[in-house]
Amino acid sequence: EPEVTQTPSHQVTQMGQEVILRCVPISNHLYFYWYRQILGQKVEFLVSFYNNEISEKSEIFDDQFSVERPDGSNFTLKIRSTKLEDSAMYFCASLTEANYEQYFGPGTRLTVT
Amino acid sequence: AQTVTQSQPEMSVQEAETVTLSCTYDTSENNYYLFWYKQPPSRQMILVIRQEAYKQQNATENRFSVNFQKAAKSFSLKISDSQLGDTAMYFCAFTQQGAQKLVFGQGTRLTINP
Repeated sequence: EPEVTQTPSHQVTQMGQEVILRCVPISNHLYFYWYRQILGQKVEFLVSFYNNEISEKSEIFDDQFSVERPDGSNFTLKIRSTKLEDSAMYFCASLTEANYEQYFGPGTRLTVT
Repeated sequence: AQTVTQSQPEMSVQEAETVTLSCTYDTSENNYYLFWYKQPPSRQMILVIRQEAYKQQNATENRFSVNFQKAAKSFSLKISDSQLGDTAMYFCAFTQQGAQKLVFGQGTRLTINP
């Protein structure tokens, strides 16, 4: 069964450094999402992406964040200058209009020290 | 803005018992989708069950079923014959019709005791 993959599984970085989180959505999906989950809290929407542009973003998704689909398969989330409060689990998801179900990747645990 | 509320932070039952997790939501939309996701200790988000608002029939998936009350904006999850592997966080989620973002509740930590 096709699945969403994410790399790395765990990333440790120092405050102020740039990080890029990578996702490979399911191949025939057209809608892509990033969510984050701070430990012990609920899952929060960051951004949605369709047709090579952002379709919606949350208040969390400020100028420090960007997304890109550099080729036909990868979907990336970049944080330009990480803060301690960016420490969280970041989930990528993709969706097909066939059933409007979002399929989640296994997540990347980001630790900012 | 849509909101999703799960009023039970934690629940615990014995193996083989039936357990019901509550979820309420607030929306002015008429067409939408509701989901229950399971998050085990691995923190992977696993879709358990989905419900389309236009369908009156409650969704079922093996041991998992929902009680969808559209007028009351309630969407509870019933797990029958609970198993140790059902131990996880369970999140209720809402999305408008179309490829919109998911709005999640706060989650319910479910523990199945042997």
